[in-house]
Amino acid sequence: SQKIEQNSEALNIQEGKTATLTCNYTNYSPAYLQWYRQDPGRGPVFLLLIRENEKEKRKERLKVTFDTTLKQSLFHITASQPADSATYLCAPTNSGYALNFGKGTSLLVTP
Amino acid sequence: NAGVTQTPKFQVLKTGQSMTLQCAQDMNHNSMYWYRQDPGMGLRLIYYSASEGTTDKGEVPNGYNVSRLNKREFSLRLESAAPSQTSVYFCASSEAKGINTEAFFGQGTRLTVV
Repeated sequence: SQKIEQNSEALNIQEGKTATLTCNYTNYSPAYLQWYRQDPGRGPVFLLLIRENEKEKRKERLKVTFDTTLKQSLFHITASQPADSATYLCAPTNSGYALNFGKGTSLLVTP
Repeated sequence: NAGVTQTPKFQVLKTGQSMTLQCAQDMNHNSMYWYRQDPGMGLRLIYYSASEGTTDKGEVPNGYNVSRLNKREFSLRLESAAPSQTSVYFCASSEAKGINTEAFFGQGTRLTVV
């Protein structure tokens, strides 16, 4: 069955450093991989989507990579800020199929 | 724009009671989803509807039923609530065509079954 794994332990980093979160998947070949941010008590909010034929995608301080050989995506936040503290979810997906998420990684950025 | 609207936001039920969670989207999306979120378990898919008139089970469908009433609305029904169904429920929608797979979420329904 399909499996999505994200770092289960919370990631604590200092303000200004780069945060790197990992998403691994098994038993399927997604055409896209999405990343979402979730704040406490709120629904997830879409951040970025990367296609299977794209190695890397950037949006402001965010960078996502997608390695279909390793079946892995890395999500980077550069120059992190306390406001980046949240839980980040990945969702490898194919159009028209069920949208399943990893359990998420909690990021805490301290001043 | 309203986006995805869920009602109610909070609900307390007694064991055995039934209720329906309502969800509506105004983005003309094809696909709609119901998730539950429990501490340490992440978002788990209960049911989804790839298009109007179709529904499919997700990871945790037991104890739930759904109805895709029309393209806008997708409801989730608990026929006989159990304490194990205490959770936060999220509805989401997506165009789900080609690259447009981004999902939009409602604000959630916090359900407590006592």
